[in-house]
Amino acid sequence: DAKTTQPNSMESNEEEPVHLPCNHSTISGTDYIHWYRQLPSQGPEYVIHGLTSNVNNRMASLAIAEDRKSSTLILHRATLRDAAVYYCILRSQAGTALIFGKGTTLSVSS
Amino acid sequence: GAGVSQSPSNKVTEKGKDVELRCDPISGHTALYWYRQSLGQGLEFLIYFQGNSAPDKSGLPSDRFSAERTGGSVSTLTIQRTQQEDSAVYLCASSRDRGRVNTEAFFGQGTRLTVV
Repeated sequence: DAKTTQPNSMESNEEEPVHLPCNHSTISGTDYIHWYRQLPSQGPEYVIHGLTSNVNNRMASLAIAEDRKSSTLILHRATLRDAAVYYCILRSQAGTALIFGKGTTLSVSS
Repeated sequence: GAGVSQSPSNKVTEKGKDVELRCDPISGHTALYWYRQSLGQGLEFLIYFQGNSAPDKSGLPSDRFSAERTGGSVSTLTIQRTQQEDSAVYLCASSRDRGRVNTEAFFGQGTRLTVV
């Protein structure tokens, strides 16, 4: 799978929007962009995924650059419960493992 | 069950003993993954199953580690002659891959292994 680059950490205030960036300059045309997060002392959980178009779900939005070399996970109103490590992962083909990088540790202050 | 189930949730073992960790994936999920996470570290991929076969075992750290999956369902990760550096949380995940990359993986709560 192609590599992704994320900032090590970010901070946010409660009820403010958060934009978590991810660079994936070597993405191929068939790579899906997946986001997972890991809350403290829990296993990771799926957040959202997309291919080319922007995506929205109840948890977040995913904005994908036109050239697909970067994407941004958007939490519209951060809560204390959103404090977690956020992972951006590319999946190049079916039948391959889901490989996690170091992710971005998001801190949320009240 | 409703989610991925792992047992035991905690395991303390003496150095040199063998341990078995169990993962019950979500029914119907063909893909199953094992990871380990040492304290304060990221997720380290161990092995991936598609059905009962393991097309990717590249993450197993040594030949003391092995895993099997039977009936396309339950998986067991075995660590032989445990060492203190094996202490970690072992996480299992499953997904309904079936040849599609746009499926999500569901994780269990993990087994915390402590080797003393």
